[in-house]
This record gives sequence, structure tokens and C-alpha cells, in this order.
Amino acid sequence: DAGVIQSPRHEVTEMGQEVTLRCKPISGHDYLFWYRQTMMRGLELLIYFNNNVPIDDSGMPEDRFSAKMPNASFSTLKIQPSEPRDSAVYFCASSELGYEQFFGPGTRLTVL
Amino acid sequence: AQSVAQPEDQVNVAEGNPLTVKCTYSVSGNPYLFWYVQYPNRGLQFLLKYITGDNLVKGSYGFEAEFNKSQTSFHLKKPSALVSDSALYFCAVRKNTGGFKTIFGAGTRLFVKA
Repeated sequence: DAGVIQSPRHEVTEMGQEVTLRCKPISGHDYLFWYRQTMMRGLELLIYFNNNVPIDDSGMPEDRFSAKMPNASFSTLKIQPSEPRDSAVYFCASSELGYEQFFGPGTRLTVL
Repeated sequence: AQSVAQPEDQVNVAEGNPLTVKCTYSVSGNPYLFWYVQYPNRGLQFLLKYITGDNLVKGSYGFEAEFNKSQTSFHLKKPSALVSDSALYFCAVRKNTGGFKTIFGAGTRLFVKA
């Protein structure tokens, strides 16, 4: 298995632009999680899905952030409009039963 | 609310010596506990978990952790450290009911000196 796949690995954009991060979970995993990692705030859960349905989005910082999971093999995290404070590493993780999670390599986002 | 504390920002140990990375948690009800490791520019990798049963849990790469309910701790241990163990280690906790939200600690950087 290729593991969790994220794209792009690096994204540099200008303030105000729309950013879309993509994730392909491990096949057969029913849970998908989006995290943000920064030096100041550590690893924060943004949202998680179970069977493609958003279950808890309480960590989504504001309305500029949105996430979708149209099918079991694909999810997106969108930021519109982006701001410099959104600069971070964004991780996607998947889990079969909701216990241990398998993380992707992350997307390093820089908003200028 | 659930929370995790990793009291040490960094742990230094000589190669071949035993290592301990500390973790305490707070959660209502029974916890599910996890350890993950992160190497530079990589995602987190699962090491081990405690769900129920034996308080001593064995995981990947020779790591183990002991669940202590009275002290609300879940310290990570290894009998003999390797230089390649140098990385960032995260403890995480989840409630056993009411959702799958997992809270991660701030992380402890382990440095193993040759």
C-alpha cells in the first residue's frame, strides 16, 4: 500500500488566493483526519470524517476553511481567502477503526 | 475536556542507555493512549497504543510504554537507545466514548548522542 498521499507537498501563495490541499487515504480506512502543525500551536485537529461524513469540525479556525470528502478515496481542505497566519504544515491521516492513525507526508503551506 | 502534557521539551541520552519520554494525560472516563514519532519533514508514525488489558504495551522499534491509571501517565521507554531514535515524539489521548477526536501533546525532542 502506498500509504496516505497528499498533494501538493509544498505550496507558496499570496495572501487572498484560494488554496486547495488534497488527500488520498489508505484504501479501506473509514476515518479521515485533517491536522495543522505549527511551532506555536503544535498539532491541531481541524476536522475528521467517518465514512465520508464530517463528524467534528470544531477545530476549523474560521469560515475561510472548508473540507470535503466526496468519496472514500479523496478529500480536500480549502482555504479561501488565504492569510499569512495560515502558513503551516497540513497533515491528512486515515484510520481503519479510529484508533491508530496513519499520516501522510504533509503539505507545507506558505502564504506571503 | 481531554489534554496531554509532555513536561520535557527535550530529552538527551547516550547511545546504549535506557530512555524515557514522559507523558501525563487528563480525560474523563477511560483513555485510549498513543505514541507517535516524527522524523524531519515527515508525517507522524504510529509507535504503540494502549486500549485495554496489560498495562505494559510493546510497540515498534523496541519501544514500550506503561499505562499507570493512578498517576494518569503513559511514559515511553526503550531499554537501549540508538542514534537513529533521535526524533520528535508525541503522546496522544482519546476518550473511549463520544467520538474519535484525538488530542496530541506538544512533543518531546529526543536526542541520542553516539
